[in-house]
Amino acid sequence: EAQVTQNPRYLITVTGKKLTVTCSQNMNHEYMSWYRQDPGLGLRQIYYSMNVEVTDKGDVPEGYKVSRKEKRNFPLILESPSPNQTSLYFCASSLYGYNEKLFFGSGTQLSVL
Amino acid sequence: AQSVAQPEDQVNVAEGNPLTVKCTYSVSGNPYLFWYVQYPNRGLQFLLKYITGDNLVKGSYGFEAEFNKSQTSFHLKKPSALVSDSALYFCAVRDRGSQGNLIFGKGTKLSVKP
Repeated sequence: EAQVTQNPRYLITVTGKKLTVTCSQNMNHEYMSWYRQDPGLGLRQIYYSMNVEVTDKGDVPEGYKVSRKEKRNFPLILESPSPNQTSLYFCASSLYGYNEKLFFGSGTQLSVL
Repeated sequence: AQSVAQPEDQVNVAEGNPLTVKCTYSVSGNPYLFWYVQYPNRGLQFLLKYITGDNLVKGSYGFEAEFNKSQTSFHLKKPSALVSDSALYFCAVRDRGSQGNLIFGKGTKLSVKP
């Protein structure tokens, strides 16, 4: 089944403790992206990647890191999480990114205490 | 800068009535336009997109959207609403000159009552 898989589904952590949210897609998509969803703000793009080893900042990249060493994986790293990063995070992928529809993961609900 | 606006936080419709969820956009050039739906505790699902051509776009689950260049709008419509259509709907736009940046609206909650 074609899908985008995110883990974990729920995560509670404390300020400053490094964490990684994994994202993997099995559709051989070139384009992958991370979004955060906050009430009243909709979805905001954190980082995106057009291909392996190619990443770029979205609208809200501060406090986040990403890497794209393999086509299928695009992990989101929070080196020193803070409470304002408490949010619902979505990974998404598409074939090329330009005008293709996005396939979304099920989301990761992160709480930073 | 590109932007997208969904002027209604919530839309209430009776089952069987037509529904419209509004979206307006601002881009410097020509847009790619999308609608996505989010059901509770789920990721977003693609509904439809406008790239070029016919201004009326048909998508999944009986939804359609009309691209209006002069009004810079891309409203989502359905002739007869179902209770199961109740969800959060997002409009999104990408400037054709931008390679990767897709901008989402804040979302509109659609509530369909029996």
